[in-house]
Amino acid sequence: GAVVSQHPSWVICKSGTSVKIECRSLDFQATTMFWYRQFPKQSLMLMATSNEGSKATYEQGVEKDKFLINHASLTLSTLTVTSAHPEDSSFYICSARGRGSTNTGELFFGEGSRLTVL
Amino acid sequence: AQSVSQHNHHVILSEAASLELGCNYSYGGTVNLFWYVQYPGQHLQLLLKYFSGDPLVKGIKGFEAEFIKSKFSFNLRKPSVQWSDTAEYFCAVNARTGGFKTIFGAGTRLFVKA
Repeated sequence: GAVVSQHPSWVICKSGTSVKIECRSLDFQATTMFWYRQFPKQSLMLMATSNEGSKATYEQGVEKDKFLINHASLTLSTLTVTSAHPEDSSFYICSARGRGSTNTGELFFGEGSRLTVL
Repeated sequence: AQSVSQHNHHVILSEAASLELGCNYSYGGTVNLFWYVQYPGQHLQLLLKYFSGDPLVKGIKGFEAEFIKSKFSFNLRKPSVQWSDTAEYFCAVNARTGGFKTIFGAGTRLFVKA
C-alpha cells in the first residue's frame, strides 16, 4: 500500500515556541492531505483539509492562525503549531489521499507525531 | 451533523470467541464506509472498505463487515478472534459530496485474552 511518513514522531517543546510537523507521501502523489488530532482515549478529530497549492480548509473551532498548514507539493504537507501551550499537547496524525483513491476517499495514514508542550 | 457512533468502547474476549463491533453513521448521501485498525505502536491501517455492490465485504485477517443501508450501520465481524487481533478499531465514513472528509467513530479497544 501507499506509504505516508511523519516527522518527528515525538517532540517536546517549551510553552510559547513553535513546532513544525512534516507529512510526506513516499511513493505516491497526495492530492489531498488531512490533519487529525487525537486526544487520549478519544477518536480522531479532523482539523483541516489541505489541497496541494491552495489554502487549507479548517474545521469549525480550529484556529487557523495557531495551526498553520502548508501543502506546497504533492508529496509534502506541514503543520506548524505556533506559540504552543500545554493544552496543545496531543497526538497529531496526517493522512493522504492520492489520485488512485479519487473515487473512494481511502486514506493512508502517517505514524503520528506526539507533541508535548511543557 | 455528520457523525459516526461506535457502540462499544472496550471489548474483552477470549481467543476463538466471535466478535461483532457495532457502527452507525449519520451522513447524507451516498457514502463510503471503512474500518481502520491500529495495532499497539503502529499506524492506522485499513481493514476493509465498502464503496458499492455487495453489502457484505471481506477484509484482511478474516474480518468482514455488512452494510445495512436501512439501519445506517456497518458492523464489523470476525468468527474467531486471535490474540493478535488485540488493537483499536475505528469505523469511518466519507462521501464525495463532502469532499471525502473522513469522519471517525470514537474507536473500540479490543483485548483478546490468550
